[in-house]
Amino acid sequence: DAKTTQPTSMDCAEGRAANLPCNHSTISGNEYVYWYRQIHSQGPQYIIHGLKNNETNEMASLIITEDRKSSTLILPHATLRDTAVYYCIVRALTGANSKLTFGKGITLSVRP
Amino acid sequence: DGGITQSPKYLFRKEGQNVTLSCEQNLNHDAMYWYRQDPGQGLRLIYYSQIVNDFQKGDIAEGYSVSREKKESFPLTVTSAQKNPTAFYLCASTSAGKTTNEKLFFGSGTQLSVL
Repeated sequence: DAKTTQPTSMDCAEGRAANLPCNHSTISGNEYVYWYRQIHSQGPQYIIHGLKNNETNEMASLIITEDRKSSTLILPHATLRDTAVYYCIVRALTGANSKLTFGKGITLSVRP
Repeated sequence: DGGITQSPKYLFRKEGQNVTLSCEQNLNHDAMYWYRQDPGQGLRLIYYSQIVNDFQKGDIAEGYSVSREKKESFPLTVTSAQKNPTAFYLCASTSAGKTTNEKLFFGSGTQLSVL
C-alpha cells in the first residue's frame, strides 16, 4: 500500500485559507488521494478526493502535483468549526480487495 | 435516512469477558471495515470484509473476531485475548467497485472501556 506522510499539526487564523500538505511519493497510477477529517470523538467525515486533476467542492479544494507525489488540501476560509484532525489517505486496490489505511493525520487548529 | 449505525455508544468490559460491538448499514455497501483509535493516534485497521461470508485481517487483528453473515451487518467481538481493549472503535463501509473512486462512510463510534 502507498503510505502518506503529513505534518503533525498546524494552525491558521479564522477567515484565512488553511493549506494542509500531504506526501504520497509511492502512490500507484490507479490510486486516488482522499481527505477525511475527524472532530473529537466522532467518526471521520469525507471531504474530497482526486486522481490527477485538481478538484473543488463546497468544502475544500484539492491540489495534486503533476507527478502525483504530493497534494494539498485547501480550506479557503477557515472557521473555528474546521478545527479537527485531517487525514490524507490513498486507496489501495489489490484485485477485488481494497484496504484503507489511515495515518495519524494533521491536527489543524483555527484560532480566532 | 441511509447510514451506518454503531451500538452501543459506550461499552464496559470486565476482565476475561468477550464483548460484541454492533455495526449495521443500510447503504447497500459491499465492503465494511473496523478500525481502532487510541487517544491522540490515527486509525488502525482491525478487520475488513469485501463480501458476505468473507473477511480479512487488518494490521491489528489479534484478540478480535468478526463475522459477515449478512451484507448489512459486520459485528466485532473483542475477546478476552485482547489485553488492552480500551479504545474508540469505528466501523466504516463503502461500495466495493473496481476503481478507487468511492467514499468511505463512518459510524459514530463505540468507546470501549475496561472495568
